[in-house]
Amino acid sequence: NAGVTQTPKFRILKIGQSMTLQCTQDMNHNYMYWYRQDPGMGLKLIYYSVGAGITDKGEVPNGYNVSRSTTEDFPLRLELAAPSQTSVYFCASTTSDRLYNSPLHFGNGTRLTVT
Amino acid sequence: AQSVTQPDIHITVSEGASLELRCNYSYGATPYLFWYVQSPGQGLQLLLKYFSGDTLVQGIKGFEAEFKRSQSSFNLRKPSVHWSDAAEYFCAVLIQGAQKLVFGQGTRLTINP
Repeated sequence: NAGVTQTPKFRILKIGQSMTLQCTQDMNHNYMYWYRQDPGMGLKLIYYSVGAGITDKGEVPNGYNVSRSTTEDFPLRLELAAPSQTSVYFCASTTSDRLYNSPLHFGNGTRLTVT
Repeated sequence: AQSVTQPDIHITVSEGASLELRCNYSYGATPYLFWYVQSPGQGLQLLLKYFSGDTLVQGIKGFEAEFKRSQSSFNLRKPSVHWSDAAEYFCAVLIQGAQKLVFGQGTRLTINP
């Protein structure tokens, strides 16, 4: 299994541009999450999904959109990039919403810079 | 509000020395607590977790953590660090009703040869 795969690894955007961060997993996990990681701030939850067709907002959803048309894929969309969205983005998945029993599997991250 | 605080942003220890990384939590009920490690350029990997029972829990890579309810702490320890332990470490608490994790700010560990 490849696990959780994120693309691209790095990206530089100009202010106002849009892009999609790709996340795919081959473990048949229903639950998928997008986090952003800022220095000294830990990880903040952006959006999550409990299954195909179902998504919900996390702590910091503004400026982002997601979709979940398949179990495998959970892309994150930035419509109008802003410098405040400069961050490292992590996708994660798990088999159950009982996170005490089903650990999160993380991708290797996408480092995004908006200038 | 539920929160996790890691007081040390950066710690440097010598190879072979002992290590303790601090984690304090704020949570109304019995917490479910986790430690994750992030190696450079990688995603996060679960080191260990605590739900109930024995307050000293063992994890992978020789790490252990002790839950102390009276101090609202869940500190991570290792008796003798290796150069490969250089990484960033995150403590997290599970928000049980929402089934979401709240992460601390992270502690970056540097190992001196």
